[in-house]
Amino acid sequence: KNQVEQSPQSLIILEGKNCTLQCNYTVSPFSNLRWYKQDTGRGPVSLTIMTFSENTKSNGRYTATLDADTKQSSLHITASQLSDSASYICVVLHGNNRLAFGKGNQVVVIP
Amino acid sequence: EPEVTQTPSHQVTQMGQEVILRCVPISNHLYFYWYRQILGQKVEFLVSFYNNEISEKSEIFDDQFSVERPDGSNFTLKIRSTKLEDSAMYFCASSRAPGETQYFGPGTRLLVL
Repeated sequence: KNQVEQSPQSLIILEGKNCTLQCNYTVSPFSNLRWYKQDTGRGPVSLTIMTFSENTKSNGRYTATLDADTKQSSLHITASQLSDSASYICVVLHGNNRLAFGKGNQVVVIP
Repeated sequence: EPEVTQTPSHQVTQMGQEVILRCVPISNHLYFYWYRQILGQKVEFLVSFYNNEISEKSEIFDDQFSVERPDGSNFTLKIRSTKLEDSAMYFCASSRAPGETQYFGPGTRLLVL
């Protein structure tokens, strides 16, 4: 079954600190992996996208990693800001055009 | 920057009623999608649409659901006879090609009473 599991489910961090979110997937066939940011009550917004051959991809203070052998990905947020408070969703594209979503990591940044 | 828009932002309806959720995808995108997210749960794929026909649909997308592109800009999701369990946030998305980034709209929050 195509599954995407994320951890931790939620975390609270102090403004300015770093954090790392984890994603494990059992999706086949794998096409690419994306991290989306979803603000409360809004649609997901794409942060990064990585294919099988890519290990690291950065977008500003967001850095995603991918280990296709172990089927793991991480999203690292550097120097967190209050606006980083959101749900971060790991999404794997499998087959031709089908997305499998994780449940999300709920991040709360406090001053 | 172009974006996907959805209307209405909120809809409350009685069980058994029909609802139509509307979406305007990004203008040069050719692939369109509907997803739903029940409160507190993960986003779930409903259907993908290309060239005026359904490309793929999930187990959730049963005979009560239908999609249509009535004109050159709108993409709609119809639920024929709503059930309580249809209460969710419904997201429309579009992409230029399969496998490319899907851009999501802000969603329509549907509440079935």
